Amino acid sequence: GAGVSQTPSNKVTEKGKYVELRCDPISGHTALYWYRQSLGQGPEFLIYFQGTGAADDSGLPNDRFFAVRPEGSVSTLKIQRTERGDSAVYLCASSTDREQTQYFGPGTRLLVL
Amino acid sequence: QKEVEQDPGPLSVPEGAIVSLNCTYSNSAFQYFMWYRQYSRKGPELLMYTYSSGNKEDGRFTAQVDKSSKYISLFIRDSQPSDSATYLCAMNGNYGQNFVFGPGTRLSVLP
Repeated sequence: GAGVSQTPSNKVTEKGKYVELRCDPISGHTALYWYRQSLGQGPEFLIYFQGTGAADDSGLPNDRFFAVRPEGSVSTLKIQRTERGDSAVYLCASSTDREQTQYFGPGTRLLVL
Repeated sequence: QKEVEQDPGPLSVPEGAIVSLNCTYSNSAFQYFMWYRQYSRKGPELLMYTYSSGNKEDGRFTAQVDKSSKYISLFIRDSQPSDSATYLCAMNGNYGQNFVFGPGTRLSVLP
């Protein structure tokens, strides 16, 4: 079956631009997570959705970051006024509501010039 | 002190060796523990999932949790070059809480 997919796989943008990163979770998974991973570091939690609602957004670094999941499936992470420090791999993961094991997508590599 | 710590490596071992990877943590509320493997330019892949203290074995992999010492380990027996990757530990305290990951240990198994 299909795993978690993320698009685009790579994104290069200029400082100050707006970007959207998309995550398509495993079908039927109600929980969806976004993480950010910098080089040589483990994934850093950003936000967790249970269904359509953000159950925990405590990891979003500032108000330039926003995420939605309007129909409880696909999610979009939105970054406004990008900064060079936003350059990282953005990972999405999903799980069912009966287990905690998360299944990760391949990530989107964001480079802000 | 970071909440979860791992030796970043790199750790190089010969093929067939037993590998020991470890994490220490500071939050005594953690009770769910996971090990992920991450190949270069790929997302993390779940290897082992354990709850509370004890051992769990799956093929060549054994996970150990010692909550009294706040120390978890992953052992890989008969290591193969295909095991060369970064190994991440992750943990949380309750269902639905966000996971905290360690920084990862880079392993290289030499043929």
